[in-house]
Amino acid sequence: RKEVEQDPGPFNVPEGATVAFNCTYSNSASQSFFWYRQDCRKEPKLLMSVYSSGNEDGRFTAQLNRASQYISLLIRDSKLSDSATYLCVVLGGGADGLTFGKGTHLIIQP
Amino acid sequence: SQTIHQWPATLVQPVGSPLSLECTVEGTSNPNLYWYRQAAGRGLQLLFYSVGIGQISSEVPQNLSASRPQDRQFILSSKKLLLSDSGFYLCAWSGGARAQYFGPGTRLTVT
Repeated sequence: RKEVEQDPGPFNVPEGATVAFNCTYSNSASQSFFWYRQDCRKEPKLLMSVYSSGNEDGRFTAQLNRASQYISLLIRDSKLSDSATYLCVVLGGGADGLTFGKGTHLIIQP
Repeated sequence: SQTIHQWPATLVQPVGSPLSLECTVEGTSNPNLYWYRQAAGRGLQLLFYSVGIGQISSEVPQNLSASRPQDRQFILSSKKLLLSDSGFYLCAWSGGARAQYFGPGTRLTVT
């Protein structure tokens, strides 16, 4: 089983819509969770950390479900500039580095 | 504020040639440093990480090596490149908050 799994997409969403995607992780001992955003041929950039109680940053909401071992990201009122690949990232499992999902490709259409 | 630099931005090297990629961090002390590789169409793979000067941990066997000669300098090297070494190499740092912050990356093509 892959350590961090994401639906690769692409998700084609009209501008202004709400979009959500999930990510599952295999290591129940994982302690920290993040969403990163990666634009084409650029480095990943931290979008937000994911806290146990869920957290919101503007139009973005992240949720963590430890029992089912999944993380979600919700984007409201999507903008054209939200088009990117969103990487689910989990810390823990033996190394000090992060384990990345392969990303979900999001395309916001005008 | 902290910044992370990587160079060169792009590199084309023949098979069998040596490699040296450099990463430096500014605005922080004693960071954890990481090297990742992202191959085309694949996820990020952790190659090396370092918690201090001279301390290097390797995550995967390969013909690459890493060194940390100074607190905020991390170098990725190879004596002889393989075609399979092509990819997008990313350096990252982290502090106590555990989230990692990436440099702009080096796009390496081995021909």
